[in-house]
Amino acid sequence: AQKITQTQPGMFVQEKEAVTLDCTYDTSDQSYGLFWYKQPSSGEMIFLIYQGSYDEQNATEGRYSLNFQKARKSANLVISASQLGDSAMYFCAMRPLKGNQFYFGTGTSLTVIP
Amino acid sequence: DAGITQSPRHKVTETGTPVTLRCHQTENHRYMYWYRQDPGHGLRLIHYSYGVKDTDKGEVSDGYSVSRSKTEDFLLTLESATSSQTSVYFCAISEIQGIYGAEAFFGQGTRLTVV
Repeated sequence: AQKITQTQPGMFVQEKEAVTLDCTYDTSDQSYGLFWYKQPSSGEMIFLIYQGSYDEQNATEGRYSLNFQKARKSANLVISASQLGDSAMYFCAMRPLKGNQFYFGTGTSLTVIP
Repeated sequence: DAGITQSPRHKVTETGTPVTLRCHQTENHRYMYWYRQDPGHGLRLIHYSYGVKDTDKGEVSDGYSVSRSKTEDFLLTLESATSSQTSVYFCAISEIQGIYGAEAFFGQGTRLTVV
């Protein structure tokens, strides 16, 4: 069974500071993809970043980076230089390479304080 | 933006009535998914499809059925709506995951209220 855990229901960060959103996962699969999505208050789901389980380097996309620790089964999202527009819900997801489904965590609500 | 359209965007229906939500894609992606989003639960998979007429259940499939008669359309039906099915429903599409990954692209969501 696959399980994604996001233990931080809500987070606050000062504008221009960095913030880390935690994500751990449980899977017996050896090959999988890890994804982060952003959901602003308007409701749409926006893809942010992807990490393959076989990638040796952490993924980066602009101000987003994924701190991937395979042995610990963690895939934390780091947002650098937070902006007010970063205030949103953030979801971690996993997709086994052989599988078809995406498994999502319960999300973390991030609020950026001016 | 990925071409995914959900309809309707909002619906209020009465308990016991059938409801059908439609997802239409223009990307020719193989996989289509229906999720529901509820506070404290994140996104939970209802059903998904891996091809025309090929569907499978997700973790919260009870009370829902799906059909995919064309690559571009994936329908979600609530046979007899209940208040517990009040939720926001998202359709998503994806390609086969290869070594570069394949993210899911989401529709705008449908807010369904069962009264």
